[in-house]
Amino acid sequence: NAGVTQTPKFRVLKTGQSMTLLCAQDMNHEYMYWYRQDPGMGLRLIHYSVGEGTTAKGEVPDGYNVSRLKKQNFLLGLESAAPSQTSVYFCASRPPGQSYEQYFGPGTRLTVT
Amino acid sequence: AQSVTQPDIHITVSEGASLELRCNYSYGATPYLFWYVQSPGQGLQLLLKYFSGDTLVQGIKGFEAEFKRSQSSFNLRKPSVHWSDAAEYFCVLYSGAGSYQLTFGKGTKLSVIP
Repeated sequence: NAGVTQTPKFRVLKTGQSMTLLCAQDMNHEYMYWYRQDPGMGLRLIHYSVGEGTTAKGEVPDGYNVSRLKKQNFLLGLESAAPSQTSVYFCASRPPGQSYEQYFGPGTRLTVT
Repeated sequence: AQSVTQPDIHITVSEGASLELRCNYSYGATPYLFWYVQSPGQGLQLLLKYFSGDTLVQGIKGFEAEFKRSQSSFNLRKPSVHWSDAAEYFCVLYSGAGSYQLTFGKGTKLSVIP
């Protein structure tokens, strides 16, 4: 049982390049989330999904797109990377029901030059 | 709108000393509150949670937190800090049914002096 995994762990992009971050969970969780973490800002929600085939915007969605084609995977895309998207990205998941706690992946450190 | 405030950006304590990390929240209904810990270069791990009932909750690694509705606070405590407790700590509020979103404080970085 690997929990929540993220690919890749590190990435450097040039401004204008695109990339996709992959999040996978093997806990059969319904809900999945993408956050970004910036120094002194805590974690901010980018997009989330309450089930396969559904996505919704979070607090800071601009410049990102997501897809949830399979229940276990949640993809975060950057179509045209900007230096302001330099950050650490965390994926999380949670089961249905009333525990509300989320399980986090190890993070992806992205640098856009 | 809901919010979480962690007044201390950085705290330094000596190993073996007691610890209290402060958290204040703003929310119009009964809050669901969490404390998460992030070790350097790692993801976030749940320390403890409060949903209802007993206002003093116990967590992993010897941590506890006390919910005080009158003060809108949920402070984290540990009686004796270990060097391995050096990390960043986040107080988190569940935003309510339908959105399933968590609102994070900005974090408190804990340094431990041997």
